[in-house]
Amino acid sequence: GIQVEQSPPDLILQEGANSTLRCNFSDSVNNLQWFHQNPWGQLINLFYIPSGTKQNGRLSATTVATERYSLLYISSSQTTDSGVYFCAVVSYNTDKLIFGTGTRLQVFP
Amino acid sequence: GAGVSQTPSNKVTEKGKYVELRCDPISGHTALYWYRQSLGQGPEFLIYFQGTGAADDSGLPNDRFFAVRPEGSVSTLKIQRTERGDSAVYLCASSSNQGFADTQYFGPGTRLTVL
Repeated sequence: GIQVEQSPPDLILQEGANSTLRCNFSDSVNNLQWFHQNPWGQLINLFYIPSGTKQNGRLSATTVATERYSLLYISSSQTTDSGVYFCAVVSYNTDKLIFGTGTRLQVFP
Repeated sequence: GAGVSQTPSNKVTEKGKYVELRCDPISGHTALYWYRQSLGQGPEFLIYFQGTGAADDSGLPNDRFFAVRPEGSVSTLKIQRTERGDSAVYLCASSSNQGFADTQYFGPGTRLTVL
């Protein structure tokens, strides 16, 4: 089945710093979502982005479907950005949402 | 509007007992999904409903797990003869009508602990 790998696995930032999280996937996809799982476990939708670029406030994402990767950009990070960021995909050959390995982000004041 | 809700938020049970976990999807969403998340890992697919029928139950780990959605809205995940390895957070998600190609919205999860 499709493989989804995220990097880096862990990221520690000081408040105000910028960061880039990466998601690589091994097959063509027709659904790609970025989620933030907060410290209480809630999965929060960030972007639905099977291709192209989107921006929402301090967050933006780009998916290059032909090269099978997606990037999540976090600018001017805040302590509330802490948590685990997951990329999840559905490939054309399956009908399951497959989650990546996650990036654990810690932002310190 | 209201998001996906799940009850209970926490469930502690003893090995061998039967448990039911409930999911209320976003109103009007025809697709409903169950996932399981073990500590330190991403969620893993269990089962997908389109309306009342299970369109894909290939993620259910064994026949102790069963899920229903009798009226096409609320769903119940049922686990028989629970084992300690069933301890995890069980997540429910819903989407409007395009199935896996559409945005999925997740509930807060039910944390199941089997002693």
